[in-house]
Amino acid sequence: ETGVTQTPRHLVMGMTNKKSLKCEQHLGHNAMYWYKQSAKKPLELMFVYNFKEQTENNSVPSRFSPECPNSSHLFLHLHTLQPEDSALYLCASSQAAGQNTEAFFGQGTRLTVV
Amino acid sequence: AQKITQTQPGMFVQEKEAVTLDCTYDTSDQSYGLFWYKQPSSGEMIFLIYQGSYDEQNATEGRYSLNFQKARKSANLVISASQLGDSAMYFCAMREHLVGDGNKLVFGAGTILRVKS
Repeated sequence: ETGVTQTPRHLVMGMTNKKSLKCEQHLGHNAMYWYKQSAKKPLELMFVYNFKEQTENNSVPSRFSPECPNSSHLFLHLHTLQPEDSALYLCASSQAAGQNTEAFFGQGTRLTVV
Repeated sequence: AQKITQTQPGMFVQEKEAVTLDCTYDTSDQSYGLFWYKQPSSGEMIFLIYQGSYDEQNATEGRYSLNFQKARKSANLVISASQLGDSAMYFCAMREHLVGDGNKLVFGAGTILRVKS
């Protein structure tokens, strides 16, 4: 496999459920990101990991909990979400900070909270 | 404050014609990067073109070129010879703080492009 892979592609969950989104990259990158894309809003950066260390938490509610066990894998653990959390969640990777390289994105997980 | 502004919510272009998608940005950094991404209905963000703030030449990648006007803080995307497959959402993005930490992209609201046959 190459590129950035996200699973699942679609997820429907109730407000009391606990679920996790998974992202995996095979590009040798050492920075990974979670973005949220809601309808009619710009992409919002949620979390940044550089070399497995979280370097950015963009005021994200604690019901979203990221995990980066190694530089190839990134998770987003979800619990007690709200309907307004329904969105497309995009994972991206790139070379680490300070380098002028583009971010590569996965195809996203379309999340619906009911 | 809005960092990236895309003033065109939607654009139409005739197949085989050129189209310009506007992007203006706001930064006090001297060192930054500008990116354009394409997002088809499948959802994936596809990288198109990159322009560094110190690059003297406008970036080009195949049918894509970036009209970079630093003094105006604009980085418009030009797509030449439009194809039906170019119909998608297009996002302009900026990375600030290229020296040191803070490697993150900030995106504009996007422009929906529709190519007509």
